[in-house]
Amino acid sequence: DGGITQSPKYLFRKEGQNVTLSCEQNLNHDAMYWYRQDPGQGLRLIYYSQIVNDFQKGDIAEGYSVSREKKESFPLTVTSAQKNPTAFYLCASSMTGGVYEQYFGPGTRLTVT
Amino acid sequence: AQKVTQAQTEISVVEKEDVTLDCVYETRDTTYYLFWYKQPPSGELVFLIRRNSFDEQNEISGRYSWNFQKSTSSFNFTITASQVVDSAVYFCALSDLMDTGRRALTFGSGTRLQVQP
Repeated sequence: DGGITQSPKYLFRKEGQNVTLSCEQNLNHDAMYWYRQDPGQGLRLIYYSQIVNDFQKGDIAEGYSVSREKKESFPLTVTSAQKNPTAFYLCASSMTGGVYEQYFGPGTRLTVT
Repeated sequence: AQKVTQAQTEISVVEKEDVTLDCVYETRDTTYYLFWYKQPPSGELVFLIRRNSFDEQNEISGRYSWNFQKSTSSFNFTITASQVVDSAVYFCALSDLMDTGRRALTFGSGTRLQVQP
């Protein structure tokens, strides 16, 4: 079945540690995205990539980093520089151009204490 | 600036009632796209509909219908004969061209719908 997978579903880390969230898609989409969702709020864009080996900052990129070495994969690293990393992280993909619907993965709930 | 407003934070209805979720948007772009997504308790966003700015025809899909009105910058979503399985957070989103030249998706803050049995 085509879709987007994110792992793990729940992640716990101590403050000061970097953590990498996985996102894989087999929809053959060129574009991939990372969003952050805080309780009771909408989604905010962290990073996006329209093509392999290229990515752009979104609205809240500070404290995060990404890579796009393969079309299928777009991992997100939450660094120790991110002030409030506890949140729900959603990965999405779409056909390129920004006019098409995005398909989302199941999300990773990160808790940093 | 691009903006999507979902003024209803939470709506509670009894099963079989009809319910309308409001969405108002702001954009300076003449070509834009509107979306609705459903987020059930599991967390994954499920795509429901995409509508471009040149197509103002209303759409119906089963119990779901959408009313797009450019004159009032609204893209409202109606669920007819609601069911408990419709309980979720619903997001309206706008894709338009930003000042940076890139096209971005802006989400509203969502409306939580609770359907009581």
